[in-house]
Amino acid sequence: DTAVSQTPKYLVTQMGNDKSIKCEQNLGHDTMYWYKQDSKKFLKIMFSYNNKELIINETVPNRFSPKSPDKAHLNLHINSLELGDSAVYFCASSQLDRAGGYTFGSGTRLTVV
Amino acid sequence: KQEVTQIPAALSVPEGENLVLNCSFTDSAIYNLQWFRQDPGKGLTSLLLIQSSQREQTSGRLNASLDKSSGRSTLYIAASQPGDSATYLCAALMNRDDKIIFGKGTRLHILP
Repeated sequence: DTAVSQTPKYLVTQMGNDKSIKCEQNLGHDTMYWYKQDSKKFLKIMFSYNNKELIINETVPNRFSPKSPDKAHLNLHINSLELGDSAVYFCASSQLDRAGGYTFGSGTRLTVV
Repeated sequence: KQEVTQIPAALSVPEGENLVLNCSFTDSAIYNLQWFRQDPGKGLTSLLLIQSSQREQTSGRLNASLDKSSGRSTLYIAASQPGDSATYLCAALMNRDDKIIFGKGTRLHILP
């Protein structure tokens, strides 16, 4: 019944590896997002996708790439992982007009060693 | 540039007390404002959403108010319980560019 689900919940990997985090929503929302929560618990948007088109792309390294096979899924691919990428990554979704607010996934804790 | 500030950063109160969490924003051109709760190691749970045309929203023991002119929102928690212990985040959705800006949160600890 989870509205926005992310996998995996925890991810530990070595520097230089390539990894993916998956996100799925069953709310019928039009737009999906990826947020990064840093060590100080500050949330910052990374990407948003609407109907498979990127509509917000914050200044994140191009090692990060969102991939959306359909409007219910938005996966996050990260290439050549660095220590500074360690953080909690949250997926979220909303209707296009954001009138209903945002629904967040439970987060993926990424640790790069 | 919109800035969202939450004061205090941390708060401890005895169980049963009523309390108010504050959220201020510098740009009043917001579309809506949303309050979330985050438990340690967990995701964000939406508590209340206030549209820019609304003054307040209520859900159970929670009441959120919005005053755009003064750039403030408050989250009122009545009869606090230990289970209310969590970090509370407010987030403002901007009209201009549809960006959502989060505050850094208030860590609330309810003492049994």
